Amino acid sequence: QKEVEQDPGPLSVPEGAIVSLNCTYSNSAFQYFMWYRQYSRKGPELLMYTYSSGNKEDGRFTAQVDKSSKYISLFIRDSQPSDSATYLCAIGHSNYQLIWGAGTKLIIKP
Amino acid sequence: ETGVTQSPTHLIKTRGQQVTLRCSSQSGHNTVSWYQQALGQGPQFIFQYYREEENGRGNFPPRFSGLQFPNYSSELNVNALELDDSALYLCASSFSSEQYFGPGTRLTVT
Repeated sequence: QKEVEQDPGPLSVPEGAIVSLNCTYSNSAFQYFMWYRQYSRKGPELLMYTYSSGNKEDGRFTAQVDKSSKYISLFIRDSQPSDSATYLCAIGHSNYQLIWGAGTKLIIKP
Repeated sequence: ETGVTQSPTHLIKTRGQQVTLRCSSQSGHNTVSWYQQALGQGPQFIFQYYREEENGRGNFPPRFSGLQFPNYSSELNVNALELDDSALYLCASSFSSEQYFGPGTRLTVT
């Protein structure tokens, strides 16, 4: 079993839909939970991070962490074609020694 | 754009050769991390440098080595290249908790 599991997709939804992206992890000691977005031919870009259970909201994005279930989610409201990218979760003991998911490719259809 | 630049953009090498990849950090960032991202996978942490000293290392063999210079630019060196070293190599610079990634160097080993 991988330490961090993420469905690779692709996930295709119509413009304006709510998108739910998820990761599960196995190590209950992990304390850093991050979501990155990666466009083609670019490096990952940090979207959101949290160190605790619960929800964190930033504009159209909401990150949710459930430590008891070892499950994290990223919700995107009012999805736009420009949101089409690969979304990577990264989980670990510090902000750089992270275990990364394989990434979910998201396609927003106009 | 993050201000982190990497060179070269693409590189083709033969198995057994050596390669040096370069990264120029964002201004004011004293920490640089290197990652390997295989096709369809998330990045894997190689190592981190803080003020010219190695500050952490992932599960990579010693033939992966690095340097950070006084101006905080850095190099990743890989000796005795293997076919499995073919990947996107990313560097990320940081000053505190958030990392800023460069666009990566695509290395192909034949």
